[in-house]
Amino acid sequence: QKEVEQNSGPLSVPEGAIASLNCTYSDRVSQSFFWYRQYSGKSPELIMSIYSNGDKEDGRFTAQLNKASQYVSLLIRDSQPSDSATYLCAVIRTGSARQLTFGSGTQLTVLP
Amino acid sequence: NAGVTQTPKFQVLKTGQSMTLQCAQDMNHNSMYWYRQDPGMGLRLIYYSASEGTTDKGEVPNGYNVSRLNKREFSLRLESAAPSQTSVYFCASSEASIADIYEQYFGPGTRLTVT
Repeated sequence: QKEVEQNSGPLSVPEGAIASLNCTYSDRVSQSFFWYRQYSGKSPELIMSIYSNGDKEDGRFTAQLNKASQYVSLLIRDSQPSDSATYLCAVIRTGSARQLTFGSGTQLTVLP
Repeated sequence: NAGVTQTPKFQVLKTGQSMTLQCAQDMNHNSMYWYRQDPGMGLRLIYYSASEGTTDKGEVPNGYNVSRLNKREFSLRLESAAPSQTSVYFCASSEASIADIYEQYFGPGTRLTVT
């Protein structure tokens, strides 16, 4: 079992819809969770970090964390074509000296 | 602030050649990292430096060496390049936020091809 799992997609949503990206992790002692956006040919860009159960909102983005289910998600409201990218979920495990473990990413396409 | 910078942007090597990838950050971060990204494999940690003067192996360190030259700079060296090291290499840096979360910020990457 991979430490961090994401559906590879591609996930397609129409413009203006809500895009829902999901991530599960295997290590129960994971403590911090991150969502990165990566455009084709570019470097990962940090969108959100979350470490407490519940929701965290930043503009059109909402991160949701459920530690009991070992599940973290990213919702993108009012999706725009410019949101089309690969979204990477990453986790820092307790005691891992701040090392990020990444999922393979979900490719999102927002259709005009 | 430039953030995290990397040189070169592109490089082609022949098998057996050596080279050093350079990384610098101007955010006064203590921690720095080197990753490689391959299709279908995601980002994998090669080496990291939690603070100036320390370096540690990550998930895929074989064939690489690193040097934390000072707080700003962290270099990655390939002593004898192999085709399996064809990849995109990213440098990142981090510092603890108020909530003690280490958010990592990435450089633009180096695309390396080994023939």
